[in-house]
Amino acid sequence: QVQLVESGGGGVQPGRSLRLSCEASGFIFGDYGMHWVRQAPGKGLEWLAVIWYDGTNEYYRDSVRGRFTISRDNSKNTLFLQMNSLRAEDTAVYYCARENITSGSADHWGQGTLVAVSS
Amino acid sequence: DIVMTQTPLSLPVTPGEPASISCRSSQSLFDSDDGNTYLDWYLQKPGQSPQLLIYRLSFRASGVPDRFSGSGSGTDFTLKISRVEAEDVGVYYCEQRLEFPFTFGPGTKVEIK
Repeated sequence: QVQLVESGGGGVQPGRSLRLSCEASGFIFGDYGMHWVRQAPGKGLEWLAVIWYDGTNEYYRDSVRGRFTISRDNSKNTLFLQMNSLRAEDTAVYYCARENITSGSADHWGQGTLVAVSS
Repeated sequence: DIVMTQTPLSLPVTPGEPASISCRSSQSLFDSDDGNTYLDWYLQKPGQSPQLLIYRLSFRASGVPDRFSGSGSGTDFTLKISRVEAEDVGVYYCEQRLEFPFTFGPGTKVEIK
């Protein structure tokens, strides 16, 4: 079955960096686009970034462009989110999600990893 | 960015009764190039990750019960639950996938009366 497992979250000071990983299994990872979505404590969902199935294209929301970088290693079935210059407002649960080939929608989500930015 | 709004933000429901959530976008989500409307619905049950319910306006995702249906056009959309069950509680989000950045509505919290 499809599984997405995020890791790499934790506590970090403002201005520092963190790298999240999302390990995929149960499907051919290299065939699917992948997204990162976050959810601040008690808040709604916020889409962050997408990467094409082959890594050739990426898009970001304005608030993270230039600070966050989405990437993937299809040989290791792993998606990454490099987060630099972290701010308190980046505190959230970060989810990776698979983009369904047919519908283009996020049909499978990981369990999320919590990032807490605080001094 | 396309702004998504939802009403109501809180919805007490009675099991067995119908329920409806509205979603509105700041611009049309209809893509005239392919004829699709890029509006999805997700449910986030308490303590869980979001799950896809409806994609492209009205198509139920795999495994989603047929009591859930999506409708609408242009900028106005509706998610209907024909007969609410206890397991349907959680927060429902609409999302537009017409253009980047994808954007979600604020969510509608559905709870049993």
